[in-house]
Amino acid sequence: QQQVKQSPQSLIVQKGGISIINCAYENTAFDYFPWYQQFPGKGPALLIAIRPDVSEKKEGRFTISFNKSAKQFSLHIMDSQPGDSATYFCAASIGGATNKLIFGTGTLLAVQP
Amino acid sequence: NAGVTQTPKFQVLKTGQSMTLQCAQDMNHEYMSWYRQDPGMGLRLIHYSVGAGITDQGEVPNGYNVSRSTTEDFPLRLLSAAPSQTSVYFCASTYGGGTEAFFGQGTRLTVV
Repeated sequence: QQQVKQSPQSLIVQKGGISIINCAYENTAFDYFPWYQQFPGKGPALLIAIRPDVSEKKEGRFTISFNKSAKQFSLHIMDSQPGDSATYFCAASIGGATNKLIFGTGTLLAVQP
Repeated sequence: NAGVTQTPKFQVLKTGQSMTLQCAQDMNHEYMSWYRQDPGMGLRLIHYSVGAGITDQGEVPNGYNVSRSTTEDFPLRLLSAAPSQTSVYFCASTYGGGTEAFFGQGTRLTVV
């Protein structure tokens, strides 16, 4: 049973467009929600993370929106670029335990020039 | 500063063979973890360690053993490889407490 459900499985966006990836969770004990970016042949790398005491966090073109009541969080990539083409994973953990992350199934993003 | 180093990068095993996947980090992190990545399933936690001499099981520990004799190293052992263990394996380390987890480049393992 997937504790963190991620959608869509794949996404095609035109250059300059907005990419939106969604995740949902059930366990209300989760209190740390990171997003990871993975390029082919590489390990995941932290992109941005949020805690449930804030509803939004922005770092450059990347924004996490968090809805605690709906138990959902999403990644928005503004002005998407071909270099953003990668697989994106949402994750969650309890007690901020970044050594015990529970990952979503991933979204393959392709940004077309 | 190399970060998290995994060896080998690729490996082919026959069913029943044993092997050890190596993981080393040079960031003096106490926390280390092993994940496997399978298509459509994301990354799943196999084993983790919160310090030298301390290990625990994650979500999918069956068929894998770990030990942590030093802060730097966290090897993952397959005692008798099975085709179901064909996967990409990632090692990660973190300082802990909500800080960033750093991942290695991965080991692609095929069991035939």
